[in-house]
Amino acid sequence: GAVVSQHPSWVICKSGTSVKIECRSLDFQATTMFWYRQFPKQSLMLMATSNEGSKATYEQGVEKDKFLINHASLTLSTLTVTSAHPEDSSFYICSASQGARGNQPQHFGDGTRLSIL
Amino acid sequence: DAKTTQPPSMDCAEGRAANLPCNHSTISGNEYVYWYRQIHSQGPQYIIHGLKNNETNEMASLIITEDRKSSTLILPHATLRDTAVYYCIVRVAGRDDKIIFGKGTRLHILP
Repeated sequence: GAVVSQHPSWVICKSGTSVKIECRSLDFQATTMFWYRQFPKQSLMLMATSNEGSKATYEQGVEKDKFLINHASLTLSTLTVTSAHPEDSSFYICSASQGARGNQPQHFGDGTRLSIL
Repeated sequence: DAKTTQPPSMDCAEGRAANLPCNHSTISGNEYVYWYRQIHSQGPQYIIHGLKNNETNEMASLIITEDRKSSTLILPHATLRDTAVYYCIVRVAGRDDKIIFGKGTRLHILP
């Protein structure tokens, strides 16, 4: 089945540093990928839609300059948390769909747990 | 906002069938019902989806009412590994449309 891979799975950084998270579709091409954030005991919150070759679309309240998204190829999207602070500590999850080929489900990565000290 | 309503939690005895309900009374004719689950500290896992007919795969069965306003996910023989949060989602298939997650149902499988 379709597989989405995220890297790293876990990262700890000092406050003020930038962190890059990669999301790859391993066996299919994804023109669109999605980035979510999840705080403890809460549901997933959609942050942005990443479109290959164009600018990402951010959900209301998500700072585009804080969370930089690059979707440079059909199999890779990256999320960079710039100048991270403790309040950015969260579980970040990406998903990808095989696109408009009928009723294809989205597939999710295993998430990246980010801890900012 | 999510277009579905689910009970916040349910218990099920190991080995029994787990029946998880979902209400989606405002579903449109071209929207599919999708089910995902999230085991602790992992990404959501796709389970099953359907439009109007009942569906079955190796993981579960999906029963959709005739008016499509509600559905039930059935795990036929629940095991401890089925303990997770289960999300019922409606979305238009064939488009890269975003998924908005509700709060889901936290299913506890009891030994």
